[in-house]
Amino acid sequence: EVQLVESGGGLVQPGGSLRLSCAASGFTFSSYWMSWVRQAPGKGLEWVANIKQDGSEKYYVDSVKGRFTISRDNAKNSLYLQMNSLRAEDTAVYYCATSQTGNLDYWGQGTLVTVSS
Amino acid sequence: EIVLTQSPDFQSVTPKEKVTITCRASQSIGSSLHWYQQKPDQSPKLLIKYASQSFSGVPSRFSGSGSGTDFTLTINSLEAEDAATYYCHQSSSLPGTFGQGTKLEIK
Repeated sequence: EVQLVESGGGLVQPGGSLRLSCAASGFTFSSYWMSWVRQAPGKGLEWVANIKQDGSEKYYVDSVKGRFTISRDNAKNSLYLQMNSLRAEDTAVYYCATSQTGNLDYWGQGTLVTVSS
Repeated sequence: EIVLTQSPDFQSVTPKEKVTITCRASQSIGSSLHWYQQKPDQSPKLLIKYASQSFSGVPSRFSGSGSGTDFTLTINSLEAEDAATYYCHQSSSLPGTFGQGTKLEIK
């Protein structure tokens, strides 16, 4: 059974940093692209970033470029999102998801990030 | 960036009814269109990939069609458990984008 468990969310002040983690199990992690998708409270879904199986390619939505960094550790079956210079508009539930082709096959339960003073 | 527009935004339906949700892309995306279901306080789940391919374990009452710019998600014989918000998503070009969502209420 595919399992994705996000952690690392919490309350952070504007301008602060946070590192999200996603622990994967039940599938061959190193064979999948992985993505982060976020959902602001009461709003729709927004794709944030994705990373190739070996980490050689990374893509970001414009609003987070230069502030967020996606990475992975295939030996630890883990995905990460380093978030710097956080803004109020980054407040959201952050989901990690597998991406075998272009669709997002499986999603974690999400971790809430709140940016507020 | 490709914009996806879903219609309707909200629909109230009765059990056993047939439901159709549409998703229109701002430019042609071939068949790179996927559908997700999100129930309250849950994470999204993949229903249909590449416009018409059912994902593993998804009930057969869910089906998808379309190509280019116009796509449809159909739910035949709606069940009470189908109350959720449905999103389309394109992976034709980066950044991947989602429709605004269609909330389905069961009467």
